[in-house]
Amino acid sequence: AQSVSQHNHHVILSEAASLELGCNYSYGGTVNLFWYVQYPGQHLQLLLKYFSGDPLVKGIKGFEAEFIKSKFSFNLRKPSVQWSDTAEYFCAVKDSSASKIIFGSGTRLSIRP
Amino acid sequence: GAGVSQSPSNKVTEKGKDVELRCDPISGHTALYWYRQSLGQGLEFLIYFQGNSAPDKSGLPSDRFSAERTGGSVSTLTIQRTQQEDSAVYLCASSLVLAAQETQYFGPGTRLLVL
Repeated sequence: AQSVSQHNHHVILSEAASLELGCNYSYGGTVNLFWYVQYPGQHLQLLLKYFSGDPLVKGIKGFEAEFIKSKFSFNLRKPSVQWSDTAEYFCAVKDSSASKIIFGSGTRLSIRP
Repeated sequence: GAGVSQSPSNKVTEKGKDVELRCDPISGHTALYWYRQSLGQGLEFLIYFQGNSAPDKSGLPSDRFSAERTGGSVSTLTIQRTQQEDSAVYLCASSLVLAAQETQYFGPGTRLLVL
């Protein structure tokens, strides 16, 4: 069965620091990959997604993620974080044959102003 | 266009009572998911509906939980004989599945508190 791992449970950074949140998945076939964000008091929003093509995906608010097939990874990055990036971030994966999208356990990001 | 809506937004109930949570997906979306998010926890998959296929119920934690989707649109999640550990935010998401590509859109959730 497919699974998604987010090894960082809580990340604390200062403003302007660079960010990388890890995401690894277990399925070896064709996958769709997603990052969702949940700001405090708000509902989950799609940050970016990868279906095919360029493995470097640009999302909203300056976020990007790189799909590295050989490492089964889809890490989220941002060169310079802002206080407003404080949120919980979820990685998700769907393989081409599975019936459902599977989520990781989430990473809480706290930004010190 | 309207997004995914859920009702009620908050529900407080007494232990042992039954509750019904409603989800209105985005019009035309064929897939509908229910998740549970407990404090400090990730998203726990509960159930998945896709078109006319039999639902994937593999995530339902006990037989007190059930869900139905009428007419391929609105879905109701029912929790019978609620327990305190059922307290959580229940999230619904819908998506349009095209050529094995799918993006979910989430509703605001129903916050359930069982006293």
